[in-house]
Amino acid sequence: EPEVTQTPSHQVTQMGQEVILHCVPISNHLYFYWYRQILGQKVEFLVSFYNNEISEKSEIFDDQFSVERPDGSNFTLKIRSTKLEDSAMYFCASSENPISPLHFGNGTRLTVT
Amino acid sequence: RKEVEQDPGPFNVPEGATVAFNCTYSNSASQSFFWYRQDCRKEPKLLMSVYSSGNEDGRFTAQLNRASQYISLLIRDSKLSDSATYLCVVNDDKIIFGKGTRLHILP
Repeated sequence: EPEVTQTPSHQVTQMGQEVILHCVPISNHLYFYWYRQILGQKVEFLVSFYNNEISEKSEIFDDQFSVERPDGSNFTLKIRSTKLEDSAMYFCASSENPISPLHFGNGTRLTVT
Repeated sequence: RKEVEQDPGPFNVPEGATVAFNCTYSNSASQSFFWYRQDCRKEPKLLMSVYSSGNEDGRFTAQLNRASQYISLLIRDSKLSDSATYLCVVNDDKIIFGKGTRLHILP
């Protein structure tokens, strides 16, 4: 069964550094998403992406965040100048259309020290 | 009012029992509905979509009541492997997760 893959599985970075989280969505999916989950808390929407542009973003997705689809397969989340409170599990997801279910990757655990 | 609200839990239930989860949503224009399960420190995994007519998949039954803006999930004959957090998910332009209800099945 096709799956969403995320790398790395765990990223440790110092406060103020930039990180890029990588995702390869399912190949025939057109809608891409990033979510995050702080330990013990709910899954929070960050951003959705379709047709090479952001279609929706949350209040969390401020100017320190950006997304990119640099080629036909990768979908990246960049966090500039990381803060301690950015420590969380970041999940990438994709779907075939806007009302179909999301398929999630295994997540990247980001630890900011 | 919160966008997607679930029973706070946790539910501690003996093996073999029936468990019911409830979820309410605030946006009447929401288009699609799902139940996901999430194991500790893992990604959410789709359990089932929820259709207007209600749907069943083995021991799992999902119901949608659009008039009351309410979704439910029933698990019959619960197994130890059903222990997880169950997430109600609603699509109203963006896909919103409830906080989840943790289920512990007791041997």
